[in-house]
Amino acid sequence: EPEVTQTPSHQVTQMGQEVILRCVPISNHLYFYWYRQILGQKVEFLVSFYNNEISEKSEIFDDQFSVERPDGSNFTLKIRSTKLEDSAMYFCASMGDSSYNEQFFGPGTRLTVL
Amino acid sequence: QKEVEQNSGPLSVPEGAIASLNCTYSDRGSQSFFWYRQYSGKSPELIMFIYSNGDKEDGRFTAQLNKASQYVSLLIRDSQPSDSATYLCGSNTGNQFYFGTGTSLTVIP
Repeated sequence: EPEVTQTPSHQVTQMGQEVILRCVPISNHLYFYWYRQILGQKVEFLVSFYNNEISEKSEIFDDQFSVERPDGSNFTLKIRSTKLEDSAMYFCASMGDSSYNEQFFGPGTRLTVL
Repeated sequence: QKEVEQNSGPLSVPEGAIASLNCTYSDRGSQSFFWYRQYSGKSPELIMFIYSNGDKEDGRFTAQLNKASQYVSLLIRDSQPSDSATYLCGSNTGNQFYFGTGTSLTVIP
């Protein structure tokens, strides 16, 4: 069964460093998303991406964040200068057809900022 | 502020009983509503979505939507210990999605 994959599963970085989180969405999906979940808190929408551009973004998704689809398979989230409060689980999701709204989540990358 | 509100629980039901999970939302422009299950340390898994008023059934799960009351619910019939998880209610407006804090369900054998 097709699935969304994410790498790495755990990333540890120093405050102020740049990190890139990688995702491979399900191959025929068209819509891509990043979410974060701080430990013990709700899943928070960061950004949606369609047709090679950002479709929607939340207030959390400020200038420190960027997304890219560098090739036909990968979808990345970059955090330019990490802060302690960026420590969270980051989930990538993909969706095939907006009329169904069925998002499939990847396993997540746990980001720890020291 | 577009919010989805859930009772965080914990909710405990005996095995074989019906578990009832509830959710309210603030944005009347919300288009679809979702229920996800999240096991501890894992990613959310879609249970079902609903976008029309009324009930939608899928196996042991029934989602109910009442747009006038801005209320969504999930019923789990014949609850099993494997159903023990956190249940996330969500909605979308366009291509932006919102989730509640989740309701923790424990099914007692």
